[in-house]
Amino acid sequence: DQQVKQNSPSLSVQEGRISILNCDYTNSMFDYFLWYKKYPAEGPTFLISISSIKDKNEDGRFTVFLNKSAKHLSLHIVPSQPGDSAVYFCTSSGTYKYIFGTGTRLKVLA
Amino acid sequence: ETGVTQSPTHLIKTRGQQVTLRCSSQSGHNTVSWYQQALGQGPQFIFQYYREEENGRGNFPPRFSGLQFPNYSSELNVNALELDDSALYLCASSRDIAEQFFGPGTRLTVL
Repeated sequence: DQQVKQNSPSLSVQEGRISILNCDYTNSMFDYFLWYKKYPAEGPTFLISISSIKDKNEDGRFTVFLNKSAKHLSLHIVPSQPGDSAVYFCTSSGTYKYIFGTGTRLKVLA
Repeated sequence: ETGVTQSPTHLIKTRGQQVTLRCSSQSGHNTVSWYQQALGQGPQFIFQYYREEENGRGNFPPRFSGLQFPNYSSELNVNALELDDSALYLCASSRDIAEQFFGPGTRLTVL
């Protein structure tokens, strides 16, 4: 039972354009979400988070939007850069564990 | 400040063997979580240790066990290895239940 779903396994975007990565979740009790980025041969690194009391959180080129009624969140990267090419995981933070989606591989083309 | 480190980086074992993976948590962190990431999947939570006690467990059989030491480093032990145990094993440390910092992982191959 996949409680956090990332339905797009891959995404290609031109450098300078916007990248939009989507995520759906099933449990309405989830109240804190994080995005992690993972490069090959490295562990996931924290990118940005959002609490359910907010519908938007921004950090530089990265913005996360949360739509609680739709149980959907999205990560916007603008402008996209080649160094952003990585696998992005949408994650829900539970009491003691993280629940990860399956990841979206973003490729930013120069 | 030293980040989370894991050893070994790669490991090859045969079915039925036992394996021990090690993790050193980031300085000041008292909580360690272990995850299994199979190819093409997101990391799956195995268990968490907080101040040397198991604090929560995912849907993994008892042959997956762990330890946390007084210095908050941790071990993951897997007995009776199966082919499906082949995966990247990630350790993450945190201060209490705050943001988790991940190590680079140990790639385990079971033949």
